[in-house]
Amino acid sequence: GQSLEQPSEVTAVEGAIVQINCTYQTSGFYGLSWYQQHDGGAPTFLSYNALDGLEETGRFSSFLSRSDSYGYLLLQELQMKDSASYFCAVPEGTYSGGYQKVTFGIGTKLQVIP
Amino acid sequence: DTGVSQDPRHKITKRGQNVTFRCDPISEHNRLYWYRQTLGQGPEFLTYFQNEAQLEKSRLLSDRFSAERPKGSFSTLEIQRTEQGDSAMYLCASSLVLQANTGELFFGEGSRLTVL
Repeated sequence: GQSLEQPSEVTAVEGAIVQINCTYQTSGFYGLSWYQQHDGGAPTFLSYNALDGLEETGRFSSFLSRSDSYGYLLLQELQMKDSASYFCAVPEGTYSGGYQKVTFGIGTKLQVIP
Repeated sequence: DTGVSQDPRHKITKRGQNVTFRCDPISEHNRLYWYRQTLGQGPEFLTYFQNEAQLEKSRLLSDRFSAERPKGSFSTLEIQRTEQGDSAMYLCASSLVLQANTGELFFGEGSRLTVL
């Protein structure tokens, strides 16, 4: 099975940078995904890291260290609309069969304040 | 709008009643997933289909829950003899197999169930 840990809440100031960490324990690891969910909304896929290092997509970047079983989501130039919950997630199963499911962490609620 | 749609968006029922939720995935997606989410938690996997075949069901899912995807298109999730602990948001997601390999699922906005 999979276990994912992330902080439950983070508060940051508009315009600043925030890092949301995720550590995982898995039996068979393929990569780490990140999702965003606004209150009352659907989870939305942000990024996926299969290899070590930093992946940048606009203001959002995601990092993975397989040796440390650790990843993070970095949000730059924070805007009020970034207030949401952020979930790290891992696909499970076998690559050849297409991963069967995605397992999510409990989520980090980010509050951006003026 | 060609996203994942779910119906109804809200359902209030009395304990012991049956409820059914419907999910219409993105049309070309062959994978369809059901998740459950409670306040302050991440989505919890319930079951998934590839085309019309139900390939996995969570061990946490009681026998009161059943899901179908009869023609490999829309899916229904039925909960029989509802209990207060079933109150949650029921999320449907779809994907192509290759997308699922990167953990990319496309979620609907969910069906919120309240059991009184």
